Amino acid sequence: AQKITQTQPGMFVQEKEAVTLDCTYDTSDPSYGLFWYKQPSSGEMIFLIYQGSYDQQNATEGRYSLNFQKARKSANLVISASQLGDSAMYFCAMRDGTTDSWGKFQFGAGTQVVVTP
Amino acid sequence: NAGVTQTPKFQVLKTGQSMTLQCAQDMNHEYMSWYRQDPGMGLRLIHYSVGAGITDQGEVPNGYNVSRSTTEDFPLRLLSAAPSQTSVYFCASSQYSNQPQHFGDGTRLSIL
Repeated sequence: AQKITQTQPGMFVQEKEAVTLDCTYDTSDPSYGLFWYKQPSSGEMIFLIYQGSYDQQNATEGRYSLNFQKARKSANLVISASQLGDSAMYFCAMRDGTTDSWGKFQFGAGTQVVVTP
Repeated sequence: NAGVTQTPKFQVLKTGQSMTLQCAQDMNHEYMSWYRQDPGMGLRLIHYSVGAGITDQGEVPNGYNVSRSTTEDFPLRLLSAAPSQTSVYFCASSQYSNQPQHFGDGTRLSIL
């Protein structure tokens, strides 16, 4: 069974600083995908970044990067140069490689980030 | 682009009532899912579908039914609402395994 763990329920970060959000996962399937989503207080789910289990390089999207350590089964999100608009809940999610499960994502409990001036 | 459309946005029900939450997507995505989000928790998968005519249970399926007669629509039915089903419900769709899910704006459901 899949499992996603986000151990940081909440954190404060100062504007312009970098922040790392932890995510560990558990799967026995060699093929899987890892996703990070942002949920601001308005409630919508915003996709940030994707990492495939066979990707050789860590994914990057603008100020977001994913520190993928496959052997440790971790996929930490790094937000560089934090902005006030980054204040939100952040979710790590995974789906495994079985075709019938491609629509079956599992989410972590989330990390609440508050960016302070 | 409409993306994933959920209706209604808000609903209040009495215990024992039934209702259907609607979800439609215009991206021709094969994969669609329903989640519930409770305070302090992540999203929990209720049911999902890998294509028209194919559905399967997720983590918390009890009390909910789904069907997928077309690629576009994936309604979620509450047969007999219970206060424990008070939650925010999200519908999502995706195409390929390495593609992210696109989410609707959510339905906030309260059951008295």
